[in-house]
Amino acid sequence: GQNIDQPTEMTATEGAIVQINCTYQTSGFNGLFWYQQHAGEAPTFLSYNVLDGLEEKGRFSSFLSRSKGYSYLLLKELQMKDSASYLCAGTGGGNKLTFGTGTQLKVEL
Amino acid sequence: DTGVSQDPRHKITKRGQNVTFRCDPISEHNRLYWYRQTLGQGPEFLTYFQNEAQLEKSRLLSDRFSAERPKGSFSTLEIQRTEQGDSAMYLCASSQLGQGFYEQYFGPGTRLTVT
Repeated sequence: GQNIDQPTEMTATEGAIVQINCTYQTSGFNGLFWYQQHAGEAPTFLSYNVLDGLEEKGRFSSFLSRSKGYSYLLLKELQMKDSASYLCAGTGGGNKLTFGTGTQLKVEL
Repeated sequence: DTGVSQDPRHKITKRGQNVTFRCDPISEHNRLYWYRQTLGQGPEFLTYFQNEAQLEKSRLLSDRFSAERPKGSFSTLEIQRTEQGDSAMYLCASSQLGQGFYEQYFGPGTRLTVT
């Protein structure tokens, strides 16, 4: 199977750091994507990891451990506009994406 | 580059009717994907095209669903004899083709409501 698991909801404070975890079954996926989706809008690309390690992109970083089937998205210096759903997605043949259910992040003052 | 566009943005139909959605990908993108998303869930893969060839279809895509990309540019997704369970957001995405992984760019989606 290719299940992807991530927490349903998280709450964090403006200016803080939050880590959103994602676990998946290691067979079938060659890479891990993270997308952001605001309510009523289309998903937008944040990052992807193919190799183990950390990829940093401004306030967003993503980590992958292929042997452990584990990834996380790290958001620094949280802003109110970061309140959104964060989708973890595995990719394999054809580059089709298999998404988790998404983690709804609420940023509070 | 105007991004991925989808038409219509919203569709309300009665159960049993047929509906057709259109997706226009980013012009230089060879691959085009269709996903379906229901409230509180992540998008679910339906099918994808490489140029005009439909290379994979999900088990979710019942016989009532058909997709085409006749000239390797825009694509259509048709649902025949709609059911209430078909109510969802239908998302189209496109990407380049090549070595490695390429991000998929999503369109704004077509929200289907079956009454």
